[in-house]
Amino acid sequence: EVRLLASGGGLVQPGGSLRLSCAASGFSFSSYAMTWVRQAPGKGLEWVSTITDTGGSTFYADSVKGRFTISRDNSKNTLFLQMNGLRAEDAAVYHCAKGSGWYIWGQGTLVTVSS
Amino acid sequence: EIVMTQSPATLSVSPGERATLSCRASQSVGSNLAWYQQKPGQAPRVVIYAASTRATGIPARFSGSGSGTEFTLTISSLQSEDFAVYYCQQYNNWPRAFGQGTKVEIK
Repeated sequence: EVRLLASGGGLVQPGGSLRLSCAASGFSFSSYAMTWVRQAPGKGLEWVSTITDTGGSTFYADSVKGRFTISRDNSKNTLFLQMNGLRAEDAAVYHCAKGSGWYIWGQGTLVTVSS
Repeated sequence: EIVMTQSPATLSVSPGERATLSCRASQSVGSNLAWYQQKPGQAPRVVIYAASTRATGIPARFSGSGSGTEFTLTISSLQSEDFAVYYCQQYNNWPRAFGQGTKVEIK
């Protein structure tokens, strides 16, 4: 069974930074691309970023390009999202997901951006 | 970038009836389209991928059709557990894009 557990969310001031982690199990992590998708409270789904299986290629939404960095540690079956320069509009539940096309989702972690 | 548009925004259906949800892409995405179901407080779950392939564990009452720019998710006989929000998503191009969702509610 695929299990994806995101962590690292919390309250941060505008302009601040946060690093999200996603612990994966139940599949061969190093063989799959991984993705972050976010959902603002009461809103729809927004694709954020994807990283290929080796980490050799990364893709970003325009809304986060230059501020967020996706990475992975295949030796620890863990996905990361470094978020810098956070804005109020970045507040959301951040889900990690298996795949680069269609996704298998994990439970998310809540990021709140407020002063 | 591709824009995904779902209709209707809300669909009121009685249990046992058929529900038909639509998704339109602003340009062709081939068959690279997925449908997700999301219930309150839960992560989304894939229902259909490759436009018409049911995901593992999804009941046969769910079916997907379409290609190019027009797609449909049909739930043949709604059960109580099917009332949820459904999103379509294209994965033919970067950036990936989701529709705004269709809420299927009890009539």
